[in-house]
Amino acid sequence: AQSVSQHNHHVILSEAASLELGCNYSYGGTVNLFWYVQYPGQHLQLLLKYFSGDPLVKGIKGFEAEFIKSKFSFNLRKPSVQWSDTAEYFCAVTTYSSASKIIFGSGTRLSIRP
Amino acid sequence: EAQVTQNPRYLITVTGKKLTVTCSQNMNHEYMSWYRQDPGLGLRQIYYSMNVEVTDKGDVPEGYKVSRKEKRNFPLILESPSPNQTSLYFCASTPGYTDTQYFGPGTRLTVL
Repeated sequence: AQSVSQHNHHVILSEAASLELGCNYSYGGTVNLFWYVQYPGQHLQLLLKYFSGDPLVKGIKGFEAEFIKSKFSFNLRKPSVQWSDTAEYFCAVTTYSSASKIIFGSGTRLSIRP
Repeated sequence: EAQVTQNPRYLITVTGKKLTVTCSQNMNHEYMSWYRQDPGLGLRQIYYSMNVEVTDKGDVPEGYKVSRKEKRNFPLILESPSPNQTSLYFCASTPGYTDTQYFGPGTRLTVL
């Protein structure tokens, strides 16, 4: 069955530290990849997405993600985090199969120490 | 302003009392979905709709019903709520099923 794994459940960093959140998916066909962010008390909003082309995707607020097809990964990165990045981050995948659907990972809670 | 709205935002109810959570979008999107968010489980899709009168089950449809009589509205119905349906519910719409999801503000439901 198709799945999305986010192995980091809770990450705690200090301000200005570098961030990398892992996302791996299991599906052999064509995929679209997303990172969504949920700030405390708010709804999910799109951070960035990959459909095709350059595998290094830049999103809002200085985030970027790299699609590595051979590793089935789409890790999220930010060189220097801020306290305002405290949020929950969800990786998601949509597939171009006969049963097209969107699959979310279980989320990674990011806490930034000021 | 392009948005997805949900009502109510908070609801406390008792077991067995039928309830409906409304969802409306003003972006003329064909696809709409309902998700529930539970700690450690992320978002799980309950139902989705590809267009008016076309709906299908997601990963966790048991205990829920939906309808899509108009393109803009996609209500979620709990005929006989149970405590295990206590959760945070999100409605979302998207122009294409593999495209970006636009989420509503969420409905926090507690079933006693």
